[in-house]
Parts: sequence; C-alpha cells; structure tokens
Amino acid sequence: EDQVTQSPEALRLQEGESSSLNCSYTVSGLRGLFWYRQDPGKGPEFLFTLYSAGEEKEKERLKATLTKKESFLHITAPKPEDSATYLCAVQGSTGGGADGLTFGKGTHLIIQP
Amino acid sequence: KAGVTQTPRYLIKTRGQQVTLSCSPISGHRSVSWYQQTPGQGLQFLFEYFSETQRNKGNFPGRFSGRQFSNSRSEMNVSTLELGDSALYLCASSSGGVTGRGYTFGSGTRLTVV
Repeated sequence: EDQVTQSPEALRLQEGESSSLNCSYTVSGLRGLFWYRQDPGKGPEFLFTLYSAGEEKEKERLKATLTKKESFLHITAPKPEDSATYLCAVQGSTGGGADGLTFGKGTHLIIQP
Repeated sequence: KAGVTQTPRYLIKTRGQQVTLSCSPISGHRSVSWYQQTPGQGLQFLFEYFSETQRNKGNFPGRFSGRQFSNSRSEMNVSTLELGDSALYLCASSSGGVTGRGYTFGSGTRLTVV
C-alpha cells in the first residue's frame, strides 16, 4: 500500500525566511510525485510533478526535489501570499491503467509579514 | 480555458438520504477522479473514470458510486448518507493516460450530513 508522510504538520515563518517542507513516501513503482497548494475553501492547485530521483523543478520562489524515498519543497524568501497548505501525493503503478493519487496530510504554512 | 466545475458548492442532507454531485472536466480531458477530503483523513481517492469506464476504485463502501457520460462529465452518488460522510468532495480531471501528469482540481462540493 502506498504511503505519504509530510512534515512538519505546521510551519510559521517570517517573510523572507527560507525553509523546506518534507514528503517521505513508499510506493510500488513510482509513476509520479506531485506537489499541490491548497488555499482555504478551494481545491488543490497543481504545482509540480516529479518522475525520477534526482529530478528538480522550479517555479518562482518554489523548488521541488526528489530522491528515492523523499521529496522536498524548498521555499526561498517567502511572501505572505505563499501562506497555504502544501500537499504531496504519489501515484504508483499496480500494472495496467492509472491509479489514484495517495496524498499526505499536508503542511500548513504561515508566512508572517 | 474553463477549469473544472463542480456543482453544487454546498449541500446539506439528512442522514439516510442520498446525494448526487456533478463534475464537468476541462474541455478535452477524458479522465475524471473523485476524492473525499476530511480534517482527520485528508484527501482520499474514491474512484477514477476514463472514457465512461471506471478504471480504478479506492477503499470506500459500495454506497459510493459514480459514472461518466460520453461528454466526460461525471457524477458521484452517495446512498444512505451517514454523519461521517460530511466532507469536501473534490473532482479532478486530466488528459488521461498512465504517465500521471498533473491533475486539475475543482473547488469541491461541501457536503454536510445532519
């Protein structure tokens, strides 16, 4: 069974204070690891997909990296508008057809001005 | 390009009733997935439809069912509602295939069972 654990559960940073969010996973045949951002009352917003160990992707102040056991979401010089819950999900391969995403519980990030 | 549209946004139902939720995917997307989100369990996969066929199903009881129409629109039905079914139900669409590219989520339907 695929499993995703995110840490920390909550993180409070000052504006400009860089940090990293962790996503540890176990999966049978990784098809993709996803990062999403979710604001209160809204659906998750797609950020990145990573497919293989060593892969990195960047978007504005965010950078996602992937190893064989975990992924990190690095946030550089965050702004208050980066405050949200960040979700990590994996899609495994059980053979034939697509499978659903397995999500972690998320990291609730607050950036204080 | 219009996003994923879910209706209604809010629903209040009584225990024992049934409910139907609707999802219109992004134009051209043939895959529609449904998820349940609760504070305790987080996001959990319900099922996925691709070209009107259920391709995969999560670990939910048979009271949860769905279908997809020829225009890719999808509906989810929950029968004999229980208090524990109160949740945000999210629909996600993608172009499909097995490579697991990004899924686009709707804003969800907030279901409250009283």
